[in-house]
Amino acid sequence: QQQVKQSPQSLIVQKGGISIINCAYENTAFDYFPWYQQFPGKGPALLIAIRPDVSEKKEGRFTISFNKSAKQFSLHIMDSQPGDSATYFCAASQDSWGKLQFGAGTQVVVTP
Amino acid sequence: DSGVTQTPKHLITATGQRVTLRCSPRSGDLSVYWYQQSLDQGLQFLIQYYNGEERAKGNILERFSAQQFPDLHSELNLSSLELGDSALYFCASSPLRGRTGELFFGEGSRLTVL
Repeated sequence: QQQVKQSPQSLIVQKGGISIINCAYENTAFDYFPWYQQFPGKGPALLIAIRPDVSEKKEGRFTISFNKSAKQFSLHIMDSQPGDSATYFCAASQDSWGKLQFGAGTQVVVTP
Repeated sequence: DSGVTQTPKHLITATGQRVTLRCSPRSGDLSVYWYQQSLDQGLQFLIQYYNGEERAKGNILERFSAQQFPDLHSELNLSSLELGDSALYFCASSPLRGRTGELFFGEGSRLTVL
């Protein structure tokens, strides 16, 4: 059973557009919410992460919005570029040992 | 380059066989995680080791086992292989000092069971 539910499964956006990926969780003990980016043939790599004491975190063109009461968080990719085409995974962890529960992934395609 | 090394990159074997996947974590990282990635299941946590001891177990089948050696490298053993075991197997490592932080993933071992 998926502890972190991610949508959409895939996304096509034009260059310069905004990509939005949403995730929801049930376990209120989760205290760390990272997003990982995976290119074909590579392992996932950390993109950006947030903890529940803040509602938003921005790093360059990537922003996480976090809604603790709704148990939801989302990734916004502003000014999407073809190089952003990848699979994005949200994840959550509930303890200091770092075991991550991943969402199912969203394949993002940015068209020129 | 994450600094995590996995071998082999590709492996093709037959049903019923046994294989061993190897992982060398980043220098200084004490914690190693194994994940299975298949098309219909996404990234599934299998097992975690910390400084040689098993720390957490996920959806790991009884046919699978793992260990972490004194030099901190880890091996994932898959036995009595079935067609459904075909997947990408990722190893990740973490320094794990204090609060949860970044996991560094290797490039994976692609297992094909025929």
